[in-house]
Amino acid sequence: DIQMTQSPSSLSASVGDRVSITCQASESISTSLNWYQQKPGRAPKLLIYAASGLQSGVPSRFSGSGSGRDFTLVITSLHPDDFATYYCQQSYTTPRTFGQGTTVE
Amino acid sequence: QVQLQESGPGLVKPSETLSLTCSVSGASVDGGTVYWTWIRQPPGKGLEWIGYIYYSGTTNYNSVLKSRVTMSLDTSKNHFTLKMNSVTAADTAVYYCARVRMKRGSDAFDIWGQGTVVNVS
Repeated sequence: DIQMTQSPSSLSASVGDRVSITCQASESISTSLNWYQQKPGRAPKLLIYAASGLQSGVPSRFSGSGSGRDFTLVITSLHPDDFATYYCQQSYTTPRTFGQGTTVE
Repeated sequence: QVQLQESGPGLVKPSETLSLTCSVSGASVDGGTVYWTWIRQPPGKGLEWIGYIYYSGTTNYNSVLKSRVTMSLDTSKNHFTLKMNSVTAADTAVYYCARVRMKRGSDAFDIWGQGTVVNVS
């Protein structure tokens, strides 16, 4: 199975900050990498697909980049609504696997 | 607007079978351009993919759960189901169903149900 490792596991930030979260796959997954946002008690929400595609309705302050094994999610200017946990997920092979999550506090 | 809604018993006894349904509105489960998945999240933990079911009824399960999981489509009711047998406390989780769409050559879970809590006790 492909292991997905996110860093950091948590971070403290303020409104207006630029936030960067990284995700590394245990082997190359091309650009088959998705990012989700999850708030407490809620289902995850798709933010970024195929490493850099912005899901419809997601604000443009969210962006994704990377290919191969290394990927990054960037929030250019943190909004109050962005405090949440973020997960990466590979869609290169089955079983689909997720990172452990990064909580933005 | 596509919506998914999970339903099923919130409490299951150890060694018994967990049965959940995901009701779909706004799309057909056998529509052919999307497929469907189950994902779970134990309390305070991360996300675990359980498996896919395609519009044809073909399935693809996570190998760690494969021996205990069955997914099926019911086109007459426009829903799909998850059955997991021989459950233990380790199967206690929020169970989500989601739609899977192909995007730029790979897939993503673009619409999720709200989730249903299952306790094994």
